[in-house]
Amino acid sequence: KQEVTQIPAALSVPEGENLVLNCSFTDSAIYNLQWFRQDPGKGLTSLLLIQSSQREQTSGRLNASLDKSSGRSTLYIAASQPGDSATYLCAVYNQGGKLIFGQGTELSVKP
Amino acid sequence: DAGVTQSPTHLIKTRGQQVTLRCSPKSGHDTVSWYQQALGQGPQFIFQYYEEEERQRGNFPDRFSGHQFPNYSSELNVNALLLGDSALYLCASTLLLASSTDTQYFGPGTRLTVL
Repeated sequence: KQEVTQIPAALSVPEGENLVLNCSFTDSAIYNLQWFRQDPGKGLTSLLLIQSSQREQTSGRLNASLDKSSGRSTLYIAASQPGDSATYLCAVYNQGGKLIFGQGTELSVKP
Repeated sequence: DAGVTQSPTHLIKTRGQQVTLRCSPKSGHDTVSWYQQALGQGPQFIFQYYEEEERQRGNFPDRFSGHQFPNYSSELNVNALLLGDSALYLCASTLLLASSTDTQYFGPGTRLTVL
């Protein structure tokens, strides 16, 4: 049974700092891995999708890496801003598109 | 191009009642999945519909049922509501052929409160 874990559960950093969010999964037979952002009480916004054959994806200040053999992914946020404050969710895809989520990392960026 | 839409936005029910939540997928998508997100947790997969049939199901009791219509929109029904059913219910859509390789698009969710 696939399990996804995110560490830390919460993180508070000063504005401008670079930071890394971690995601681990127990079964390396995944199709893809996706990072989402969720603002309080809202739906999910897709940030980056990494295909199983890829090692990383970049979008602006965000960089996500994937190491299937070790069952790990990281989301790197450069030069953090208060507007980055949100919960970040990692999810892996199984066959057929079922997403299995971690519990999320709540990020707070202080001005 | 309209994204995924859900209705209603918020809903308050009492224990034992029944509720129906609605979802319209993104234009061009044919597959709808439903997720339950309890406060402070990640979303949990409920089930997925394609061609009006349930394709996959998560670990949820039979009180949770769904339907997909010919226009690909979907409903989630929950019977005999329990306090523990209070959660944000999220709908996601995709194109089945790309479901394992392409992003899924999520709606804003329906916040269900059971009193």
